[in-house]
Amino acid sequence: TQTVSQSDAHVTVFEGDSVELRCNYSYGGSIYLSWYIQHHGRGLQFLLKYYSGNPVVQGVNGFEAEFSKSDSSFHLRKASVHWSDSAVYFCAVMPNYNVLYFGSGTKLTVEP
Amino acid sequence: DMKVTQMPRYLIKRMGENVLLECGQDMSHETMYWYRQDPGLGLQLIYISYDVDSNSEGDIPKGYRVSRKKREHFSLILDSAKTNQTSVYFCASSSGDTQYFGPGTRLLVL
Repeated sequence: TQTVSQSDAHVTVFEGDSVELRCNYSYGGSIYLSWYIQHHGRGLQFLLKYYSGNPVVQGVNGFEAEFSKSDSSFHLRKASVHWSDSAVYFCAVMPNYNVLYFGSGTKLTVEP
Repeated sequence: DMKVTQMPRYLIKRMGENVLLECGQDMSHETMYWYRQDPGLGLQLIYISYDVDSNSEGDIPKGYRVSRKKREHFSLILDSAKTNQTSVYFCASSSGDTQYFGPGTRLLVL
């Protein structure tokens, strides 16, 4: 059974701060990892993905994520957040082609 | 512009009534999905469709059925809706490893 854990339900930072949103997974085989963002009242939008190669992957709007096999993690980071980054962020794993399993989400609030 | 649409956006039904949620995509994607999202939970997969008339159960298919007669359309049907099916329903389509989501349908079953 594969699981995705996002330990922080809520994260609050100030505009201009850096932020890290944590994601841990449990799965034994080769997997595909991704992050999605959901603004209030809208569907999810793809941010970035990792399958192999460089463990640090770049996404849209200055987001990046780092894969760690030893820690079973795929944390999302941004160096300087903007108020428009306020949203819910979902980590997802794809143990089988075309099937994603999502974590419970982390709500990021960026205060002015 | 790649787009997934869902209709209706909001729906109120009484327990026991039938519910039809519609989803469309203009990207000719073969694979489409129905999820539900409840507070504090991630998205839970209800059904996945690999193409016309090629549908598979997801993690929580009980109480739901689907129909896909055209590649661009994927319907979710609740026969005799229950109050615990109150949720936000999302449709998605995929091209390989990236999924594209619709705006969601907020369903309230009284």
